[in-house]
Amino acid sequence: SQQGEEDPQALSIQEGENATMNCSYKTSINNLQWYRQNSGRGLVHLILIRSNEREKHSGRLRVTLDTSKKSSSLLITASRAADTASYFCATDGGDYNQGGKLIFGQGTELSVKP
Amino acid sequence: EAGVAQSPRYKIIEKRQSVAFWCNPISGHATLYWYQQILGQGPKLLIQFQNNGVVDDSQLPKDRFSAERLKGVDSTLKIQPAKLEDSAVYLCASSLVGWETQYFGPGTRLLVL
Repeated sequence: SQQGEEDPQALSIQEGENATMNCSYKTSINNLQWYRQNSGRGLVHLILIRSNEREKHSGRLRVTLDTSKKSSSLLITASRAADTASYFCATDGGDYNQGGKLIFGQGTELSVKP
Repeated sequence: EAGVAQSPRYKIIEKRQSVAFWCNPISGHATLYWYQQILGQGPKLLIQFQNNGVVDDSQLPKDRFSAERLKGVDSTLKIQPAKLEDSAVYLCASSLVGWETQYFGPGTRLLVL
């Protein structure tokens, strides 16, 4: 079953614009992670945010987490054509007995036009 | 630091044949994961190992899929016999411990005809 649901499913913007992707999940979590996947390749880890954190930055990436609303957002500022990829949020289900397995959403497909 | 290695990168087989995938995780990573990613969907966990023990295989179709992790390092995932719906990308990932960042290999793209 899918834990995270990303919104929108697809996003097309011009280079230099900001891109915002949202993720909603259903159960409690220990942490939430965002991954990027370029076409035909494996996933690359972007950011991990813990349940007691509200915001985290990494370069042009900003992630927020609202555990009361069970939602997270990923903001990419000043987007580049190289940011074109699928973006996934993944949660751990909140149960340490599950060993930290990740449950991924369907992903947001981002297209950045030069 | 070398990343997660997987082979083969591509595989085409006919239904009812068998196939095996290999994964070598990042050195020192205790936890290893196999995911199945069907086109247009997010990865779905098939099995998770902690060293050479299975932590979670609740979504592994055990009538046809099997996996092992010898000596707590390399791992193989096998499908026998394959079905059309097994066409997907099979991703291997590893992490130092569970609940932390997972590092993914490039995946094996399987097409079952």
